Amino acid sequence: EAGVAQSPRYKIIEKRQSVAFWCNPISGHATLYWYQQILGQGPKLLIQFQNNGVVDDSQLPKDRFSAERLKGVDSTLKIQPAKLEDSAVYLCASSVGRGASGYGYTFGSGTRLTVV
Amino acid sequence: AQSVTQPDIHITVSEGASLELRCNYSYGATPYLFWYVQSPGQGLQLLLKYFSGDTLVQGIKGFEAEFKRSQSSFNLRKPSVHWSDAAEYFCAVGVRNAGNMLTFGGGTRLMVKP
Repeated sequence: EAGVAQSPRYKIIEKRQSVAFWCNPISGHATLYWYQQILGQGPKLLIQFQNNGVVDDSQLPKDRFSAERLKGVDSTLKIQPAKLEDSAVYLCASSVGRGASGYGYTFGSGTRLTVV
Repeated sequence: AQSVTQPDIHITVSEGASLELRCNYSYGATPYLFWYVQSPGQGLQLLLKYFSGDTLVQGIKGFEAEFKRSQSSFNLRKPSVHWSDAAEYFCAVGVRNAGNMLTFGGGTRLMVKP
């Protein structure tokens, strides 16, 4: 089975620029997550989708971050404008559904963003 | 809200030695508990998980973890460490009957001496 695909792998931008990350989850996985992992810290959930609806975006900085999951498959995470503190690895993960079985996460390799 | 503490930021062990990585959580009930491993430039790979039942859980790559309710701990162990185990290890908790959000600890970086 193919894993969770993310692109690009690396991105360097200047502050105040915009950037977008793409994620293609495992086929059939209804739940998709975006996590932010700042260097030296554990991942932190930004947003969770169930199919194409948002389940939890309480920790998403909505003044600059946005995410969508059109048609309940691929997802895009955007930052506009970027700040220095947004430098991090952005991890996408997917799982089959909700409840206990929904914790069978598969993580992608992540996109490393550097804001200069 | 739940939280996870991994007290050891770095640990160095000799190859062949035993390993124990500590994890403490804060939550009002018994959460779901997980250990993940992350190699440089890679995503997170699940080592093992605890949902209920036997408090000693076996995982992949020879790892095990023990849930101790009285200590709110879920420590990860391995009897004999291999050089390939060098990586960052994350403990995480999930909340029952809620969304499937994971709350991660800060991680422990494991270095293995030859």
